[in-house]
Parts: sequence; structure tokens; C-alpha cells
Amino acid sequence: DQQVKQNSPSLSVQEGRISILNCDYTNSMFDYFLWYKKYPAEGPTFLISISSIKDKNEDGRFTVFLNKSAKHLSLHIVPSQPGDSAVYFCAAVVGGYGQNFVFGPGTRLSVLP
Amino acid sequence: SQTIHQWPATLVQPVGSPLSLECTVEGTSNPNLYWYRQAAGRGLQLLFYSVGIGQISSEVPQNLSASRPQDRQFILSSKKLLLSDSGFYLCAWPHPRRGGEQFFGPGTRLTVL
Repeated sequence: DQQVKQNSPSLSVQEGRISILNCDYTNSMFDYFLWYKKYPAEGPTFLISISSIKDKNEDGRFTVFLNKSAKHLSLHIVPSQPGDSAVYFCAAVVGGYGQNFVFGPGTRLSVLP
Repeated sequence: SQTIHQWPATLVQPVGSPLSLECTVEGTSNPNLYWYRQAAGRGLQLLFYSVGIGQISSEVPQNLSASRPQDRQFILSSKKLLLSDSGFYLCAWPHPRRGGEQFFGPGTRLTVL
């Protein structure tokens, strides 16, 4: 049973427009959520995170929204750039410890010039 | 600064052959270390984590094993590889001050033929 789901395996967006990547989770014990970005043949790199006590966190072009009642979070990228093309993983963790990290299957974002 | 290395970068092995992947970290001591696998079209699956020398916890049953011979070294092994062991293997450690965030190594691409 997948505790963290990313139901869109891929997404294509025009350069300059908004990219919205979605993530749903089932475990209400998760208290910290992260987004990672991964290029082919490289390790994932941390992008942005949000604690369960917040509903929004913003860092430059990236904003993460958390809806705890719906067990849903989303990553907004505005404006999208071709360099944003990558696989994006949503991750959730209980208590901030790595052994409780759960990753979603990822969404491949393609930003078209 | 903290750095994480993985060796080799790519590996092609026949079914039934042994495996040894190495992860080493620099710039920190007593790190918690993790092995993940990304199989084709799937998310990141936690395989093993270690909180110290000789201390290994396994998350999923499989024909892989892990060892922590030194504080900064984490090794993933197998006595006999299966086709299903193909994937991208990632070593990770938690951010020293932001435990909810993990740093990933560059990864090893393993292809079992």
C-alpha cells in the first residue's frame, strides 16, 4: 500500500507558465513533507519542505501548499523554466528521522521552450 | 562541508554474480546513513539504514545486505544478483541541522543481465 502517491507520472508545461505537481498521502502521522528534484543519473536534490504546522512555504519560484484535512500537498513552480525539467519526488516523514522517510513514485516534469 | 561519494557510478553484472557498492561520507562524524533503490518507473525505496558502526536495519526482505565497517563507510552487497536487482542505488544522510532533509549521493546505476 503506497503511503505517498503522485498520481501523475508525467506533466508537460510551456515555459513561463505555472507547473503544479500534486502529492497525496495516507498516513496522518506524517509531520514533515519535502520535495526533491532529480536529474537522470544523479542523486535527488532537496528543493523545498513544509512542516505540518504550516499550510504554505515559499522559496523563490517554488511554493509548497499543504492541505492536512485532504492529506494533499502540491508544488507550484512559477514561472517554469526549461531547466526545471526533471523528476520530482514528494516525500513524507514522521518525526524527522530518515528511517521513516517515504517517497512517492515521482512525476516527470517537462518544460517546453 | 559535507560530501557523499558513491562508487562505482555504473555497473553491469551478470545474474548470479556478487555485488559490492560503496558509499563514503566526508565532513561529518557519526552520520546516519541510508541505502535507497530507484527501480525503473518507481519511486525511491528505502533498503537499509545504519545509525552507527555495525548497526544495520533492513526495511525490506531481499537478497541484498549492508554493512557499516567504518563510521563513514556504508557498503551494499549481494552474494548472487537477480535481474530484479537492477536499478539506481542511492546513499543518503540526513542534514546535520535539518534532520527532516536528506542529502543524496550521486548514485550507482546497476544493470543485471
